[in-house]
Amino acid sequence: GENVEQHPSTLSVQEGDSAVIKCTYSDSASNYFPWYKQELGKGPQLIIDIRSNVGEKKDQRIAVTLNKTAKHFSLHITETQPEDSAVYFCATRGTDKLIFGTGTRLQVFP
Amino acid sequence: DVKVTQSSRYLVKRTGEKVFLECVQDMDHENMFWYRQDPGLGLRLIYFSYDVKMKEKGDIPEGYSVSREKKERFSLILESASTNQTSMYLCASSFIRGQRSTEAFFGQGTRLTVV
Repeated sequence: GENVEQHPSTLSVQEGDSAVIKCTYSDSASNYFPWYKQELGKGPQLIIDIRSNVGEKKDQRIAVTLNKTAKHFSLHITETQPEDSAVYFCATRGTDKLIFGTGTRLQVFP
Repeated sequence: DVKVTQSSRYLVKRTGEKVFLECVQDMDHENMFWYRQDPGLGLRLIYFSYDVKMKEKGDIPEGYSVSREKKERFSLILESASTNQTSMYLCASSFIRGQRSTEAFFGQGTRLTVV
């Protein structure tokens, strides 16, 4: 069935450094790739998404890259800040539902 | 402002009880979803609905059922709660644009403990 693998499961960085989270998917029909951020005690919230006709998208300090041939996509956060600390989920859209990765807990130390 | 509201933040229920988790969205979205979130397993889809009175099984429907009598409300039902259903439950909704669903909006989650 449809599957999304996400790595790493935990990531610790120093404030100001960059963080990269990678996901690999199995369904070649996937055409929408969102990233969600979940802060403590809250539901996940969309932070950036990319569609299959685009290779890269950037929004201030966050960017997402997509390699459809290799079936993987990545989230890049530059100049990390303590408020970036959260759990991040990648997802792909299979038919009409989202399939989520297992999540990455990012900790940014001041 | 977009809003998905889950009726309870925390619930404690006994084994064998029938449990109702309620979710309401105010965005007139067609699609609604129930996920459960467990450490190391991410978000797993239990059931979803793309219209009133319509429902589709997700990846882990066993032990659950759902009800969608009105467009804005989607209920998750645990017919006979068991300890392995202790988890965080997340409701989400999205609308359809051009045959494809768009961004999903999540509620704040219900942490259910079955004792």
